[in-house]
Amino acid sequence: DAGITQSPRYKITETGRQVTLMCHQTWSHSYMFWYRQDLGHGLRLIYYSAAADITDKGEVPDGYVVSRSKTENFPLTLESATRSQTSVYFCASREGGAYEQYFGPGTRLTVT
Amino acid sequence: AQSVSQHNHHVILSEAASLELGCNYSYGGTVNLFWYVQYPGQHLQLLLKYFSGDPLVKGIKGFEAEFIKSKFSFNLRKPSVQWSDTAEYFCAVRGGTYKYIFGTGTRLKVLA
Repeated sequence: DAGITQSPRYKITETGRQVTLMCHQTWSHSYMFWYRQDLGHGLRLIYYSAAADITDKGEVPDGYVVSRSKTENFPLTLESATRSQTSVYFCASREGGAYEQYFGPGTRLTVT
Repeated sequence: AQSVSQHNHHVILSEAASLELGCNYSYGGTVNLFWYVQYPGQHLQLLLKYFSGDPLVKGIKGFEAEFIKSKFSFNLRKPSVQWSDTAEYFCAVRGGTYKYIFGTGTRLKVLA
């Protein structure tokens, strides 16, 4: 199906474990983004990517790693999960010449 | 620093009531402005956007917003809300190529 998908949709993990959240888009959008959504904070940008192999930090990058070897995929890895990383994570993408973003369905991550 | 303020965190209305949600931003340059809606359990969807031109922007589902440059505001309005408008609403500002700043959101509950 066309669009932007995220997997898993729900994940429970333990403190200290490595977790990877997947994001896949079928539009060949140049730009991709990872946000976390927390009560009282709205959405905060973790990392973004302007193209394959080009990534940069957003507002809250500590504890996260991204890669973008292919245009359509933008995985987010929590190297050693902490309870403070319990959140809902949204992936988004947009075309190069447009400014509106399209969001995925989100991943609800719980770190115990 | 760039910021977006949504002053109403929770709003409760009866069906057919009029809605106005406030959004103020802090950014000195040219901005693109957005309102997104997140229905319960779903991802963010674009309601409307302002790039330039007519400061009164019409979006989907009967929503509109007015950009008032002198007040740094982009308030969302709807003349008559429906129960199905129950959702969380986010104002966002694009103040740079990659930088999107989201407000903390307003939770709207419409009573049938």
